[in-house]
Parts: sequence; structure tokens; C-alpha cells
Amino acid sequence: EPEVTQTPSHQVTQMGQEVILRCVPISNHLYFYWYRQILGQKVEFLVSFYNNEISEKSEIFDDQFSVERPDGSNFTLKIRSTKLEDSAMYFCASRGWTSGSASTDTQYFGPGTRLTVL
Amino acid sequence: AQTVTQSQPEMSVQEAETVTLSCTYDTSENNYYLFWYKQPPSRQMILVIRQEAYKQQNATENRFSVNFQKAAKSFSLKISDSQLGDTAMYFCAFMKRNNAGNMLTFGGGTRLMVKP
Repeated sequence: EPEVTQTPSHQVTQMGQEVILRCVPISNHLYFYWYRQILGQKVEFLVSFYNNEISEKSEIFDDQFSVERPDGSNFTLKIRSTKLEDSAMYFCASRGWTSGSASTDTQYFGPGTRLTVL
Repeated sequence: AQTVTQSQPEMSVQEAETVTLSCTYDTSENNYYLFWYKQPPSRQMILVIRQEAYKQQNATENRFSVNFQKAAKSFSLKISDSQLGDTAMYFCAFMKRNNAGNMLTFGGGTRLMVKP
């Protein structure tokens, strides 16, 4: 069964450093998303991406954040200068035609990257 | 803007019994989807079940079924014959249809413990 993968599973960084979180969406999916979940809190939308541009972004997704699809398979989230409050689980999700599914409207999530900012 | 509310922070159920998790939402949209996602201790988000708002029939997926009340904006999840592996955090989520971003709006989650 196809799945979304994310690397690394855990990233520890110093405040002020840049981090890049990587995702490989399900092949043939066209819509990509990043969400984050601060420990003990709800999952929050960050950004959606389609046709090589941002479709929608939340207030959380400020100038410190950027997304990119550098090639045909990877989808990355970059945080330029990390803050303590960026510590969270970051989930990538993709949406599109999936074998066995009658609909393209379901988002499939990766296992997440735990980001710890010290 | 949409909001999703899960009023039960924690619930427990005996193995093999049935449990219902509540979810209410607020929206002015008429065309949307609702989802339940499961998040076990590994913290992976796993789709449990989905419901299209235009469908009157409640979705079912093996032991999982929903009670979708569109007028009341209620979307509860029933788990029958609960198993130890059902122990997890459960999130209700809303998604507008035909929206460029199609972002998911999540509720705060219900932690379910299945006891042997």
C-alpha cells in the first residue's frame, strides 16, 4: 500500500538554526500539506501546495517558513531561524488518486518529524 | 471559519464493548467532508473513516461507524467490539469541498483507553 514518508523522524536543533523537514508524498498525488502538533495540543494546518505554488496558508506560516517541491518526489518544509516555540511534531500529508480509493478527497499523513528546538 | 469541538478529552471502554466518541462542528458551508483520524502512541495519523456531507447514509468501516446529523452539525464515531489496539487519540476533522487549499480543521481530540 502506498504511503507518505518523512525524514528525519526526530530532529534536534539549536534556536536560530535553519531546519529542513523532508516528505515524499504518495506517487501521483498532486496536493500536499504541512501540519504541526505541539505536544498535547490539536493538529494545526500550516500550508497547502498545488501546482508548484502555495494554495493556502495559516497565520502560523509566517516569513520564517517556506515550502518547496525541488523535484518530482520530495516536498520540503524549511524553517529559517527556529524558535523554541517551533518545537512540535510536523506532519506532511498528500491527497490525490490512491489505489483502492474511490475519492481524491482524503489526506494521507506521514509518520511525522519530531522537531526539538533547544 | 470552521470550528470542530470534541467535548470528551478522555474516555475508557472495556475490551469487546462499544464506545461512542462525540464531535460537533460549526460551519456555514454546505459542501464538505468529515473525517475521524486515529493517532496511536507512535503519533502517526491514521484515517479511520470519512463522510461526505451530501450523503445521508452514515459511513461504516468494519467495526467503525458514524452517526452524521447534518442539521445538528454532529458527527459521532461508534467503535464496536473494542480491541486493545484501538487505544489511541481520536481526532475529528472537517474539510471544505471544492476549496483550493482543502485544509483540514481538527478538533482537540479524545484519548480513548481500551481496558482488558
